[in-house]
Amino acid sequence: KQEVTQIPAALSVPEGENLVLNCSFTDSAIYNLQWFRQDPGKGLTSLLLIQSSQREQTSGRLNASLDKSSGRSTLYIAASQPGDSATYLCAAGNNAGNMLTFGGGTRLMVKP
Amino acid sequence: DTEVTQTPKHLVMGMTNKKSLKCEQHMGHRAMYWYKQKAKKPPELMFVYSYEKLSINESVPSRFSPECPNSSLLNLHLHALQPEDSALYLCASSQDSVPSYEQYFGPGTRLTVT
Repeated sequence: KQEVTQIPAALSVPEGENLVLNCSFTDSAIYNLQWFRQDPGKGLTSLLLIQSSQREQTSGRLNASLDKSSGRSTLYIAASQPGDSATYLCAAGNNAGNMLTFGGGTRLMVKP
Repeated sequence: DTEVTQTPKHLVMGMTNKKSLKCEQHMGHRAMYWYKQKAKKPPELMFVYSYEKLSINESVPSRFSPECPNSSLLNLHLHALQPEDSALYLCASSQDSVPSYEQYFGPGTRLTVT
């Protein structure tokens, strides 16, 4: 059974810092890895989707990488802003039904 | 348009009530999902519909009954729920249930069972 872990569970940084969020998964037979953002009490916003054949994806200040062999993905946020404060979730996509297994999330606080 | 809508936003129901949650998408997606998210926990998959047929039921109690009347609409019928069923219920859709398609989530319905 796939297990997804995110470290750290919480992170507080001053505005402007570059930061890295980590995601690890136990079953490397994934089809994709998706990163989401969730604001308190809200739904999930898809940030980046990395297919199993890809190494990384970029969108604006966000860059996500995937290393299937080591069971790891990282989300890099450049020049962080207070508006980036949210919980960031990674999810591994496995075989049947496009099922997503989520990590516990990293709660990010960017201080002005 | 990558929008998934869910109604109602909030729902309070007693343990003897019957209610329904609704989810809608107009992206032409053929796979739709229900997730349950407890406070400070990640979402957990409940059901997957593919081409309007139930393809995955993650051992969800029968007091939760999903329905997919057409390719754009997904319902979750609730009956005789327990207080521990209080959670954020999220709907998602993707182009297909074949792996590798991005899932788009709705804003969720906050359910409180009293």
